[in-house]
Amino acid sequence: GDSVTQMEGPVTLSEEACLTINCTYTATGYPSLFWYVQYPGEGLQLLLKATKADDKGSNKGFEATYRKETTSFHLEKGSVQVSDSAVYFCALSDSGYSTLTFGKGTMLLVSP
Amino acid sequence: NAGVTQTPKFRILKIGQSMTLQCTQDMNHNYMYWYRQDPGMGLKLIYYSVGAGITDKGEVPNGYNVSRSTTEDFPLRLELAAPSQTSVYFCATQGETGVQYTEAFFGQGTRLTVV
Repeated sequence: GDSVTQMEGPVTLSEEACLTINCTYTATGYPSLFWYVQYPGEGLQLLLKATKADDKGSNKGFEATYRKETTSFHLEKGSVQVSDSAVYFCALSDSGYSTLTFGKGTMLLVSP
Repeated sequence: NAGVTQTPKFRILKIGQSMTLQCTQDMNHNYMYWYRQDPGMGLKLIYYSVGAGITDKGEVPNGYNVSRSTTEDFPLRLELAAPSQTSVYFCATQGETGVQYTEAFFGQGTRLTVV
């Protein structure tokens, strides 16, 4: 079956540091890939997505590239802010299906 | 625009009690989902629905039931609450754009504790 593996946290960074959260996946078809973010006490919201190989999703300074050859979708940001502190979930939706398969989430803590 | 509304936000149940978690959407989406989120475990799909009158089991359906009589509402029922059902529950919806699906939109969650 489909699965998503992402690096365990928490990831602790100082403001303006570079961020990478690794995500790899296993899927039977040609999945769409997503990063969702969950701020404290809130539901998940879409951060970015990519629907086919070599696509780059980007939003709010975050970006991730769909790498089919390495089955990866790593999340990156060049300079994090305290307001980026949240839990980040990598997810996939396999071709022809709407249901999402989530990774376990990675908590990011950014200090001033 | 309310989006996806879940009630209640918090609830404490005693073992063996029953309750219904409510989920209502005003986005006219056909697809609706119930997930549970346990610490360090990501989100697990409990049940989902592809339209009014159609529901199906997800990964962890045991101990839960759902119904979908309208496009807007997708309640989740716990019949005999157990401590293992202590979790945060999220309802989500998803629409369609041609041959693709839209992003999933989540409610704020219901934090349930069974004691």
